[in-house]
Amino acid sequence: AQSVAQPEDQVNVAEGNPLTVKCTYSVSGNPYLFWYVQYPNRGLQFLLKYITGDNLVKGSYGFEAEFNKSQTSFHLKKPSALVSDSALYFCAVWLTTDSWGKFQFGAGTQVVVTP
Amino acid sequence: DAGVIQSPRHEVTEMGQEVTLRCKPISGHDYLFWYRQTMMRGLELLIYFNNNVPIDDSGMPEDRFSAKMPNASFSTLKIQPSEPRDSAVYFCASSLLGPTDTQYFGPGTRLTVL
Repeated sequence: AQSVAQPEDQVNVAEGNPLTVKCTYSVSGNPYLFWYVQYPNRGLQFLLKYITGDNLVKGSYGFEAEFNKSQTSFHLKKPSALVSDSALYFCAVWLTTDSWGKFQFGAGTQVVVTP
Repeated sequence: DAGVIQSPRHEVTEMGQEVTLRCKPISGHDYLFWYRQTMMRGLELLIYFNNNVPIDDSGMPEDRFSAKMPNASFSTLKIQPSEPRDSAVYFCASSLLGPTDTQYFGPGTRLTVL
């Protein structure tokens, strides 16, 4: 079955250290992959997406993600984390179906950045 | 632009009552999405519209849920009758070009069914 997975419920990192949030996918054909962030009591905000082209995608707030086809991964990264990056991060995939398509989110990874 | 607007922000109702959630998408966006977020099931796409027409409603849990988009600037998600298991945060989102385009989310409606 086509899906997206975030293997970590929570990631803890000290401010200034590199941040990585993992995402793997299982999609037939070429995947459309996304990262969104959710701050407490807010709606989701778009960070970046991969449709085609360069495997390294740069997004908002200094985040980037690398599409790795051989490992079926799309990990989110930030070289130096800030306390304000503490939030819930969602990986998502656009799944192609017989009729139209479906947008599916991962379970989310809580990022905690400590001062 | 004010972004996606949802109302009410909080709704508390009793089991069996009808609940109507409202959404105003960003002006000019042709796509509108309804999501539900719970601890148990995460974030689920319920239904989405293109130019006011429902495209995929396969995520709608059951017949108690219905969604309409009478015009380009307004959509409703109705639950009738409501049940405690419907308690969740319901998000509306809109995008300009489609599901693979950037989706802009509203602040959500927190629904509690007692």
